[in-house]
Amino acid sequence: QKEVEQDPGPLSVPEGAIVSLNCTYSNSAFQYFMWYRQYSRKGPELLMYTYSSGNKEDGRFTAQVDKSSKYISLFIRDSQPSDSATYLCAMSNFGNEKLTFGTGTRLTIIP
Amino acid sequence: DAGVTQSPTHLIKTRGQHVTLRCSPISGHKSVSWYQQVLGQGPQFIFQYYEKEERGRGNFPDRFSARQFPNYSSELNVNALLLGDSALYLCASSQGWGNEQFFGPGTRLTVL
Repeated sequence: QKEVEQDPGPLSVPEGAIVSLNCTYSNSAFQYFMWYRQYSRKGPELLMYTYSSGNKEDGRFTAQVDKSSKYISLFIRDSQPSDSATYLCAMSNFGNEKLTFGTGTRLTIIP
Repeated sequence: DAGVTQSPTHLIKTRGQHVTLRCSPISGHKSVSWYQQVLGQGPQFIFQYYEKEERGRGNFPDRFSARQFPNYSSELNVNALLLGDSALYLCASSQGWGNEQFFGPGTRLTVL
């Protein structure tokens, strides 16, 4: 079993829809949770960074962390064609820079 | 402000050769990490350096080595290249423990 599980998709939704992306994990020591966006053949771009449980909102993006269920989510409101990319969840322990990634979910927003 | 930079952008090598990849962190960042991303997978952790000392190593063979220089830039070296080493090699920098990591554009290595 992988430490971080992420549905690889692909996921296609119409423009303007709300997108929900999810990851589950097995390592209870994870304290920091991140979402990265990666366009084809480019480096990952940090979207959201959260510590421990709770919600964080930034513009059209909302990240949720539920440590009791070992489950994290990223919501994208009013999705745009420019949001079409692969979304990677990543996690790390306290005091440890090693990021453990999910496999990524490929998202396509249809105009 | 300049982000993380990596060179070269692309590289083609043959089996058995060695390769050196380079990374310059964001100004003020003292931590550099290296990741390998095979097509269709998430990045896998290779090394982390902080203040020129190795602070973490992933499950990669000894053919992989790295170092960090006094200006905090870093090199990743891979010896005796195998076909399976073909991947996107990513460098990430941060200010240190518990801080966000920012990735460079990566170096795409193809081993023939």
